[in-house]
Amino acid sequence: GENVEQHPSTLSVQEGDSAVIKCTYSDSASNYFPWYKQELGKRPQLIIDIRSNVGEKKDQRIAVTLNKTAKHFSLHITETQPEDSAVYFCAASINPGGYNKLIFGAGTRLAVHP
Amino acid sequence: NAGVTQTPKFQVLKTGQSMTLQCAQDMNHNSMYWYRQDPGMGLRLIYYSASEGTTDKGEVPNGYNVSRLNKREFSLRLESAAPSQTSVYFCASSGRDSPNTEAFFGQGTRLTVV
Repeated sequence: GENVEQHPSTLSVQEGDSAVIKCTYSDSASNYFPWYKQELGKRPQLIIDIRSNVGEKKDQRIAVTLNKTAKHFSLHITETQPEDSAVYFCAASINPGGYNKLIFGAGTRLAVHP
Repeated sequence: NAGVTQTPKFQVLKTGQSMTLQCAQDMNHNSMYWYRQDPGMGLRLIYYSASEGTTDKGEVPNGYNVSRLNKREFSLRLESAAPSQTSVYFCASSGRDSPNTEAFFGQGTRLTVV
């Protein structure tokens, strides 16, 4: 079945450093890869996504890269700030019958220390 | 625009009791999902519904049933609750205009089974 692996499970950085989270997926039919941020006690919210016809996408301090051949994608956060501290989830979507079916990674708890 | 609304927010059940978690979305989305979130396990898909009248099993369907009542509503039922079903449950929905669209989450239901 579909599977998404995410590493590392925890990540601790100093404010201003960069953070990188990596995910691999199993289903080569996956064609949509969103990243969600979940703050403590809140719902997951989309921060960036990438589609399979794009190799890289950037939005201010956040970027995502995709390597379809290797079936992995990564989230890069530059100039980290304490408010970036949260749990981040990657996901891969397949589209049986044209509808989204999202499978999530286990999450990465990012701590940014002042 | 309320987005995705879940009820209740908190619930305590005794082993063997039954209950239904309600979810409604007002974004005219076709796809709806139920996830459970356990520490260190990420978001695991219980059931999803690609469109009104259809439902499919996800990764962890055992012990649950779902009903896609209409396009807006997707309910999750626990017929005989077990302590292993203690978790945070999230409902989500996504659109169909593109197969790859953002999933919006409800605020979650924290369920404890004693």
